[in-house]
Order: sequence, then structure tokens, then C-alpha cells
Amino acid sequence: QKEVEQNSGPLSVPEGAIASLNCTYSDRGSQSFFWYRQYSGKSPELIMFIYSNGDKEDGRFTAQLNKASQYVSLLIRDSQPSDSATYLCAVNAPGSSTLGRLYFGRGTQLTVWP
Amino acid sequence: IAGITQAPTSQILAAGRRMTLRCTQDMRHNAMYWYRQDLGLGLRLIHYSNTAGTTGKGEVPDGYSVSRANTDDFPLTLASAVPSQTSVYFCASSEVGGDEPQHFGDGTRLSIL
Repeated sequence: QKEVEQNSGPLSVPEGAIASLNCTYSDRGSQSFFWYRQYSGKSPELIMFIYSNGDKEDGRFTAQLNKASQYVSLLIRDSQPSDSATYLCAVNAPGSSTLGRLYFGRGTQLTVWP
Repeated sequence: IAGITQAPTSQILAAGRRMTLRCTQDMRHNAMYWYRQDLGLGLRLIHYSNTAGTTGKGEVPDGYSVSRANTDDFPLTLASAVPSQTSVYFCASSEVGGDEPQHFGDGTRLSIL
């Protein structure tokens, strides 16, 4: 059973602060890592993906990957109330028999208060 | 606008009835997926298809069937709906079914009474 673990939260930060969202995964062979944002009642929206160890930055978002520790995180700088949503971590299932499959964490609910 | 279209948006269905959820994408993606999302359980994969003509079972396939007659369409059928299939269903697609990210449709909210 592949596992992707996230703190369910809720995580509450003030506007302008850095929000840090964390995710661990069980399959050491996983190579692709994704962060999705899901507003209440809406579908998941891809916001970041990362394949290599280290940091990847896109605007206010930074994804961090440490394969040795099987850990991936998402930092949101200058958090805004519009960032309030549930953030889903997804990890690929390695191997040809599971090509393309992703395993999702249960999500972390983030609230940014003004 | 390119993307994934799901229909219906929502549906209330009597137990025992047959129901097909439709999913169409116009991005020419090879791979397509069906998920259900339940409170506290996250997204769970029902069935997937890596290319037209092939399908595979995900984590929770029982009670569901799919077909992939062409690249664009990937319908999900509940042969005889049961209340435990009440959920929000999302269809997703990706370019090659490998390391590419998946993109989601808007979902179908299904209630089985």
C-alpha cells in the first residue's frame, strides 16, 4: 500500500506570513511530486510539480524535495486570504504496471486570515 | 477553451439504478483517470486508461466499469448504484500517463438514495 501523509490541519496563518505545508511518502522509487490546490466545492488545480531534489520556485510558491528523507513541502510566501484552500500532495507510483498513477494525500486545509 | 468536461454536474439517483458519468477531454491526452473523493478519505483512483483501447483497475474499482473507445472519451458506469457510491467523482487526464501532471475536470456530485 502506497502512502502519502499530510498533516490534515487546519493550518492557520496571518496574511503576509509564510505558510509551510508538508508531505511524506512511503515509496522510495517515486520520482514525480505534485501539489494541487482545491477550493471548497471545486476540483483540484495543479500549482506546482517537482522532479529533482532541491527547491523549485514559481512566484510566491516554492516546492522543496528531499528524496533521501522522502519528504516534499510547499512554501507559500506572502500568504493571501485567497490562498485559503485545501492543498493536496500527490506522488507518482513507480513501475511500468502503474504508469501514470498518482497517490494523493488527504490534504492540508490552509486558512489565511486578514 | 481546452480542458475536461464532465456531465452531469450533479445527480440524485435511486439505489439499484444504472448510471453513466461522462468525461470528455479535448487536449489529446493519452491517459485518463476516474477518482472519487470522500470526506476524510481524499482522492481514490477507481479506474484508469493509459491509451485508447486499454483500461486498468485502481484502488476502488468494485461496482464501477469504464471503457475507452477513443482518445477523448472515458465514461464511468455504475451498473447498479448503492448508497456507498455517494461521492464526488472527478475525471482527470495527462499527456503520456508517466511523469506528466494530471488535470482535473469540474467533477460530478452523485447522491445515491
